[in-house]
Amino acid sequence: KAGVTQTPRYLIKTRGQQVTLSCSPISGHRSVSWYQQTPGQGLQFLFEYFSETQRNKGNFPGRFSGRQFSNSRSEMNVSTLELGDSALYLCASSPLAARNTGELFFGEGSRLTVL
Amino acid sequence: QKEVEQNSGPLSVPEGAIASLNCTYSDRGSQSFFWYRQYSGKSPELIMFIYSNGDKEDGRFTAQLNKASQYVSLLIRDSQPSDSATYLCAVWGIGSNFGNEKLTFGTGTRLTIIP
Repeated sequence: KAGVTQTPRYLIKTRGQQVTLSCSPISGHRSVSWYQQTPGQGLQFLFEYFSETQRNKGNFPGRFSGRQFSNSRSEMNVSTLELGDSALYLCASSPLAARNTGELFFGEGSRLTVL
Repeated sequence: QKEVEQNSGPLSVPEGAIASLNCTYSDRGSQSFFWYRQYSGKSPELIMFIYSNGDKEDGRFTAQLNKASQYVSLLIRDSQPSDSATYLCAVWGIGSNFGNEKLTFGTGTRLTIIP
């Protein structure tokens, strides 16, 4: 069974640009969550999507947005990039039955560097 | 006060000894508790979860939960060099409304097993 796939794995952007990251969950998983990981703050929750609906959102500015498609694939977008947005962005999926257990299956992440 | 607090370490333990990792959380209403392991450059993976007060054992790993003290720990017996990783404590339902729960992570404890 294929795992969670994130693309691109690495990218470099400059301040003011925007970026779109993609996540394909494990087949059959309908919940997709996004996290930002930095050395100082650890894993910070961005948002969760379930059946194309945003179910929960973390404390990030409106520059961070996401969506989920009917095939459960998800994208997140960051507009007007700032230096502080440099981080590893992790996508995690969970099956319907297990979403309330907190068992998340993480992708390898997209490492964003903002210059 | 952080929602989920862990000692960042590094924690160094001799091979074969018991490694003890600790975590405290702020929301008394939190429901479920998880330990994720993250190897350097890799994504987190779930190793243990616990819902009820007391101990839960799985091989060399034991999770302990004390809801009254808002404290959860992970013991690793017979520590091996392959256990060297960052261990993330995660709490489900912290600061959330019913049906809108999310998983909140601590910043992690870096564990090094010394051969």
